[in-house]
Amino acid sequence: GAVVSQHPSWVICKSGTSVKIECRSLDFQATTMFWYRQFPKQSLMLMATSNEGSKATYEQGVEKDKFLINHASLTLSTLTVTSAHPEDSSFYICSVSRGVNQPQHFGDGTRLSIL
Amino acid sequence: GENVEQHPSTLSVQEGDSAVIKCTYSDSASNYFPWYKQELGKGPQLIIDIRSNVGEKKDQRIAVTLNKTAKHFSLHITETQPEDSAVYFCAASGGGGADGLTFGKGTHLIIQP
Repeated sequence: GAVVSQHPSWVICKSGTSVKIECRSLDFQATTMFWYRQFPKQSLMLMATSNEGSKATYEQGVEKDKFLINHASLTLSTLTVTSAHPEDSSFYICSVSRGVNQPQHFGDGTRLSIL
Repeated sequence: GENVEQHPSTLSVQEGDSAVIKCTYSDSASNYFPWYKQELGKGPQLIIDIRSNVGEKKDQRIAVTLNKTAKHFSLHITETQPEDSAVYFCAASGGGGADGLTFGKGTHLIIQP
């Protein structure tokens, strides 16, 4: 069965609005979750590492004030795209891992379309 | 940082034949190499992974080989079936998989009936 649940699966909104995406670990408590972005027909790019109870670690070039990450519990991380613009339209996918020497399992992603 | 190259970008094989996808990585500190299968509109699904202390791993029709010296690893799918058609991604990371993954650009595998 699914290890990771992501919601919503698809969202369309107007330019300038903020959008929140949820990532839930269903099978285990995850102190670390990862957020990736995938543009059409391209690869996945790591955006940030979400750490429960502390600040997220962002990859170079990813604006932390633009992509707000909250990992308030051991089973839930949220990604908020603030003041979204058309260039933020993408497929956002989270993953979870039980820890060292354990594989990462991905959610089914959220397709974000900004008009 | 890590850089992962993946080839070919598209691979078309006859049903029943074998398919091989190759990846190279740049960071000698990477020690975990998973392969994912992604179908249209879905998230990647882990199909097999290998760690740096192992040279080969097999799971039914799927196998992965790792050459640490040359910094390359390959996915082998035997007896291909139509349901194997998808995009396949290789990835690499340090920390035994506890770190974020660096992905290759993907291979679109097409199984011709």
